[in-house]
Amino acid sequence: SQQGEEDPQALSIQEGENATMNCSYKTSINNLQWYRQNSGRGLVHLILIRSNEREKHSGRLRVTLDTSKKSSSLLITASRAADTASYFCATVPGAGSYQLTFGKGTKLSVIP
Amino acid sequence: KAGVTQTPRYLIKTRGQQVTLSCSPISGHRSVSWYQQTPGQGLQFLFEYFSETQRNKGNFPGRFSGRQFSNSRSEMNVSTLELGDSALYLCASSLAGTGGSPTNEKLFFGSGTQLSVL
Repeated sequence: SQQGEEDPQALSIQEGENATMNCSYKTSINNLQWYRQNSGRGLVHLILIRSNEREKHSGRLRVTLDTSKKSSSLLITASRAADTASYFCATVPGAGSYQLTFGKGTKLSVIP
Repeated sequence: KAGVTQTPRYLIKTRGQQVTLSCSPISGHRSVSWYQQTPGQGLQFLFEYFSETQRNKGNFPGRFSGRQFSNSRSEMNVSTLELGDSALYLCASSLAGTGGSPTNEKLFFGSGTQLSVL
């Protein structure tokens, strides 16, 4: 079953613009992770944010987490054509969980 | 360090056959997880192994099985293939130090095996 739901399902922007993707989930979490997937390839880990954190940065990426609203957002600043990919949020319900529960992803297209 | 290696990259089988997929984790990683990705169901957890023991299994029928060897390499097997088994099968590894949960840290994914069942 899908715990995280990304919004929007698809996003098309011009190079240089910022891209914001949102993720909502239903149950309490231990941590939430964002992954990127280029077409037909494996997933690449972007950021892990724990339930007691509100914001994390990594290069051009900024992730926020609002546990009261059960939502997270991923912001990519100054987007590049190479950022074109699908982005997934994955939730971990408890510290002892062995599995990630993925949303269906946001397909981002960055137009040069 | 080499990344997670999955073989084969592509596989075509017919209904009723069985298939074995292989995954070599990053050197030193002891936890291996498997996920199935389809356009309809998205990414779904299959199972996780640590030190040759299956610690968790997802909601898949018994036709899906796996194992892990002493060198942490893992295989998954699907018997009596059905058309709906067509999917990208992804393997992921993590350190899971001291036997901890792999989800407390990032997972490293392989490029996957694209299985087509005709």
